Amino acid sequence: DAGVIQSPRHEVTEMGQEVTLRCKPISGHDYLFWYRQTMMRGLELLIYFNNNVPIDDSGMPEDRFSAKMPNASFSTLKIQPSEPRDSAVYFCASSSLNGYTFGSGTRLTVV
Amino acid sequence: SQQGEEDPQALSIQEGENATMNCSYKTSINNLQWYRQNSGRGLVHLILIRSNEREKHSGRLRVTLDTSKKSSSLLITASRAADTASYFCATDRNDKIIFGKGTRLHILP
Repeated sequence: DAGVIQSPRHEVTEMGQEVTLRCKPISGHDYLFWYRQTMMRGLELLIYFNNNVPIDDSGMPEDRFSAKMPNASFSTLKIQPSEPRDSAVYFCASSSLNGYTFGSGTRLTVV
Repeated sequence: SQQGEEDPQALSIQEGENATMNCSYKTSINNLQWYRQNSGRGLVHLILIRSNEREKHSGRLRVTLDTSKKSSSLLITASRAADTASYFCATDRNDKIIFGKGTRLHILP
């Protein structure tokens, strides 16, 4: 198993541009989580899905952020428009009863 | 919002010594997990302890859980240079896991 796969690994974009982060969870995992990590706030849970359905999006900072999971093997986190304060590492994780696995993250820099 | 709080925030010890990190949390949990993160990398799951368990071992790792005090500890025995990393506790409640801010562990040669 290749684990949780995130793309891109690094993204540099200009303020105001749309950014789309992608995640492929482990096959058979029925939960998918998006986290954001910064020095100031640590690891924050943004949103999570169960069987492709969003369960809790209370961590999504504002309307500029949206996440979708159109099928069991793919999820996106979109920021539109992006702002410098969105710069962070974004992690995707998937889980089953046996535990959680994190992707390697996407390092986003908004200039 | 943060559920777990690790203590200390940073820890430096000599190679070969034992390292102990603590975690306190606020609400009831289903389980508690510990993760390691090397600089610039993703999180690696180390160990999970369920709310009805008090102690668990995995190799050089020993985790304890005291639900009455809402606290957990992670002990790494015979530390190695490769153990240098940040360690996070994460509480699992209602299917979502919430992380603390972590302990930065530095193993000195």
